[in-house]
Amino acid sequence: DQQVKQNSPSLSVQEGRISILNCDYTNSMFDYFLWYKKYPAEGPTFLISISSIKDKNEDGRFTVFLNKSAKHLSLHIVPSQPGDSAVYFCAASEATGANSKLTFGKGITLSVRP
Amino acid sequence: GAGVSQSPRYKVAKRGQDVALRCDPISGHVSLFWYQQALGQGPEFLTYFQNEAQLDKSGLPSDRFFAERPEGSVSTLKIQRTQQEDSAVYLCASSTGPNEKLFFGSGTQLSVL
Repeated sequence: DQQVKQNSPSLSVQEGRISILNCDYTNSMFDYFLWYKKYPAEGPTFLISISSIKDKNEDGRFTVFLNKSAKHLSLHIVPSQPGDSAVYFCAASEATGANSKLTFGKGITLSVRP
Repeated sequence: GAGVSQSPRYKVAKRGQDVALRCDPISGHVSLFWYQQALGQGPEFLTYFQNEAQLDKSGLPSDRFFAERPEGSVSTLKIQRTQQEDSAVYLCASSTGPNEKLFFGSGTQLSVL
């Protein structure tokens, strides 16, 4: 039973355009959400997070939006750069502000074309 | 070191062998996590330590899996009588506390033949 779903396995965008990565969840107890980025042969690195008390969090080119009623979040990257090409994992936690015991999605492979 | 260090980087085991995977967390990080990432999947939680105490081992898939962190620093994940379904990347992560950002190592890729 996948509690965090990333239904699109891959996304390809042109450099300079917006990348929108989607994530859905089923567990209503989740109240903290994170995005991790992973390059081949490396471990995931933290990108951005959002608490359930917010609907938007922005950090430079990265913005995460949360729609609690729809149990949906998305990561926007603007403008996309070739160095953004990686696998992006959506993750969620039940404990407020916690990074422990994260539940991950399967990941989305983003390719940014020069 | 500057980051979380895991060894070996790759491990090939024959079915039935025992393996031990090592994790050196970032110095001073009290929280340590193990995750298992199968091919094409996201990481799945295995177990969590705060200092030397194993506070959550609910994700360990069977009693063949055992983790320890005796001095609250280095941790070892041991898998006994390995099976083919144990083939995965085993990721270790550490943080300064249970509610802080996780730093992941590069993982150990285990292949059981």
